[in-house]
Amino acid sequence: GAVVSQHPSWVICKSGTSVKIECRSLDFQATTMFWYRQFPKQSLMLMATSNEGSKATYEQGVEKDKFLINHASLTLSTLTVTSAHPEDSSFYICSARAVGGGPYNEQFFGPGTRLTVL
Amino acid sequence: GENVEQHPSTLSVQEGDSAVIKCTYSDSASNYFPWYKQELGKGPQLIIDIRSNVGEKKDQRIAVTLNKTAKHFSLHITETQPEDSAVYFCAASPGSNYQLIWGAGTKLIIKP
Repeated sequence: GAVVSQHPSWVICKSGTSVKIECRSLDFQATTMFWYRQFPKQSLMLMATSNEGSKATYEQGVEKDKFLINHASLTLSTLTVTSAHPEDSSFYICSARAVGGGPYNEQFFGPGTRLTVL
Repeated sequence: GENVEQHPSTLSVQEGDSAVIKCTYSDSASNYFPWYKQELGKGPQLIIDIRSNVGEKKDQRIAVTLNKTAKHFSLHITETQPEDSAVYFCAASPGSNYQLIWGAGTKLIIKP
């Protein structure tokens, strides 16, 4: 149980185009989903927190107009990188917290999406 | 806010020996401490976690200890195997906003 999928697993795009990444909780409902990016040999950096049906909360320094997050249902959140540039190339990972998860913040992670912008 | 420090950054041990990774945290309100294993090109995988009302937890070759007074927690892997080679991350959760604060990671190398 507690499986999170991401699609696509990797994507290559041209500079200036937009890319959408999907994050799905397959066997549970997620009240909260988190989006991270990770550069090589570094830790995960939280980009934003999204709750179903409400606007995402972005971390300081993350442009909300560039990284559009939609959490339209309890099983799906999407991250759209708009007007992508080479510096946006990174490993993007989502995680999900189950509905009724209690006071402890157990998160389940997706396999990640490798974005390369040419 | 919460800050998590993790040591060492790289750990090389002989196959069959034990490995210990240590983390310290700053926010006494943190109540959840997970450990994740990340293999190259994959997402983090939860391997064990501990809650603030428990001092120790064990799952086969893996154990985690928590010292709330000193604000540190440790991951212990016994009888290490080649497949244990990966990057391990500790994290702490202050609980209020359900975010995880991450350590910098430890690259564990198991030498045959």
